[in-house]
Amino acid sequence: NAGVTQTPKFRVLKTGQSMTLLCAQDMNHEYMYWYRQDPGMGLRLIHYSVGEGTTAKGEVPDGYNVSRLKKQNFLLGLESAAPSQTSVYFCASSYSSNTRTFSNQPQHFGDGTRLSIL
Amino acid sequence: AQSVSQHNHHVILSEAASLELGCNYSYGGTVNLFWYVQYPGQHLQLLLKYFSGDPLVKGIKGFEAEFIKSKFSFNLRKPSVQWSDTAEYFCAVKSLDYGGSQGNLIFGKGTKLSVKP
Repeated sequence: NAGVTQTPKFRVLKTGQSMTLLCAQDMNHEYMYWYRQDPGMGLRLIHYSVGEGTTAKGEVPDGYNVSRLKKQNFLLGLESAAPSQTSVYFCASSYSSNTRTFSNQPQHFGDGTRLSIL
Repeated sequence: AQSVSQHNHHVILSEAASLELGCNYSYGGTVNLFWYVQYPGQHLQLLLKYFSGDPLVKGIKGFEAEFIKSKFSFNLRKPSVQWSDTAEYFCAVKSLDYGGSQGNLIFGKGTKLSVKP
């Protein structure tokens, strides 16, 4: 059981370049999330998805776009990378949070993508 | 807005010392509470969680946490730390009452724990 898989693990970009981070989960989870982790800031939610074909903004969505065309995949795009987007990006997934049955389910995290923008 | 506060940025302990990491949250409704641990270079892993019932929750590796509703706190404890507990610890809160972002975790900024052998 692979859980949550993120690709790539490392990437260096130049300012203005674009790229897409891929997150895949094999647990049939409805919810998926993208976070960024910066020193002293904890994890901040960028975007999330409550199901295939739906996405929503989190705490820090500017400069990012996402897509959830398939239930198992959640893509994070940077259209024009900026040095402020240098960070470690974590994807997570969980069962639906709208039912009491699963409301205590934790989020399962991927191993992270370390992204540097020069 | 909901927020989660972790009072200590960096805690340094010697092996066998007792540990208590503070966590307070701002939301007064129904919440789920979590502690995650991130070992160096690794992803976040669930340490323990509170949903309902006994406010004293026991997790993996000898960790426990106590939910005190009146204080909006969920402090993490361990009686005797080991060098292998060196990691960053994140408290997180999930609101069950809000629409829209319902179910999203709000993370604290983390506490780094360094255990000296």
